[in-house]
Amino acid sequence: DQQVKQNSPSLSVQEGRISILNCDYTNSMFDYFLWYKKYPAEGPTFLISISSIKDKNEDGRFTVFLNKSAKHLSLHIVPSQPGDSAVYFCAASGQTKTSYDKVIFGPGTSLSVIP
Amino acid sequence: EAQVTQNPRYLITVTGKKLTVTCSQNMNHEYMSWYRQDPGLGLRQIYYSMNVEVTDKGDVPEGYKVSRKEKRNFPLILESPSPNQTSLYFCASSISRSGEQYFGPGTRLTVT
Repeated sequence: DQQVKQNSPSLSVQEGRISILNCDYTNSMFDYFLWYKKYPAEGPTFLISISSIKDKNEDGRFTVFLNKSAKHLSLHIVPSQPGDSAVYFCAASGQTKTSYDKVIFGPGTSLSVIP
Repeated sequence: EAQVTQNPRYLITVTGKKLTVTCSQNMNHEYMSWYRQDPGLGLRQIYYSMNVEVTDKGDVPEGYKVSRKEKRNFPLILESPSPNQTSLYFCASSISRSGEQYFGPGTRLTVT
């Protein structure tokens, strides 16, 4: 039962173009969503987050959009740069069947930005 | 410098030999977690702790134990490791469960 899904295992984008990474969730009790970026041989690092009371949050080149009715969020990177090539994980937290405090990660999307 | 440290970074062991992976954070965070990363499955939470002496199971707790005797430390214990516990393990800490998590560099464990 995968509560957080990232249906695209990989994505290739030309440098300078927009990268759009998608994430879907099934639990309507999730109230906070985060994106992490991971380079090989390193731990994930926090990128951007959004609370369920908002529908958009922006930080420089990175914008996260939340559509609660569709249980969908997306991360937009504009413009994409080669240094953005990494695995991106979507994460959600909130009440689940068994806990108030779990954090659930998606399987990740590997982004390649081609120079 | 704010950081989460894990030791060892690499470990090869045999089935049944008890091991401990240490995790320490210097940010006075209350929330700490252990995750394992496996291909196609992303990061799955093993155990988490909301504060000293308060721990709870994540999604894949079988075969693991944790303890939180001090705020800064959150060791992961494998009492009797098996080959299906071969994985990449990450420790993380945050101010709260919804706060951004700071991850350690990872521990690559191989159980033969």
